[in-house]
Amino acid sequence: GAVVSQHPSRVICKSGTSVKIECRSLDFQATTMFWYRQFPKQSLMLMATSNEGSKATYEQGVEKDKFLINHASLTLSTLTVTSAHPEDSSFYICSAHYGAGQPFNYGYTFGSGTRLTVV
Amino acid sequence: GNSVTQMEGPVTLSEEAFLTINCTYTATGYPSLFWYVQYPGEGLQLLLKATKADDKGSNKGFEATYRKETTSFHLEKGSVQVSDSAVYFCPAGGTSYGKLTFGQGTILTVHP
Repeated sequence: GAVVSQHPSRVICKSGTSVKIECRSLDFQATTMFWYRQFPKQSLMLMATSNEGSKATYEQGVEKDKFLINHASLTLSTLTVTSAHPEDSSFYICSAHYGAGQPFNYGYTFGSGTRLTVV
Repeated sequence: GNSVTQMEGPVTLSEEAFLTINCTYTATGYPSLFWYVQYPGEGLQLLLKATKADDKGSNKGFEATYRKETTSFHLEKGSVQVSDSAVYFCPAGGTSYGKLTFGQGTILTVHP
């Protein structure tokens, strides 16, 4: 249980275009979704936290107009990289926590990641 | 807020060797602690977790004990396999289901 499906797994786009990444919770309701960026051989950097039906909270230094997050339903959150440039090339991972209110059965599940390459 | 410090890698071991990856945390409360494993090009998979002091998480031969007195959650495995080669993360979770705090991750390479 507690599976998050992330698509696409890989995408190559031209500089200046926009790319949308989707994360769907398949067997639970994801009230909160976290979006991370990971550079090669580095840890995960939290970009933003999205809550269903409200605006996302962005971490310091993350451009909210460039990385648009929408969490319109309890099973779907999207990250759109707008006007992408080569420096936006990275591995993007979503995560959701599950089991809220169940102290012994809660955790965080991660999508499989999206490798974005901007050329 | 929370912070996590992991043993610097890369850690290189021979197959069947004993594994320890150190992880310590600082927190104002009592966070939940997790170990995740990441294989190349993939997302993170939950390996084990502990939600309170003295809890021991275990899975697939890996285990870690939540030590409040030393604020640690070291990962151990008695006999590693080549297939255990991956990056390991031990994030701390907020007490109100908030965001996870990650350390730098530890790269493990196991040779035949």
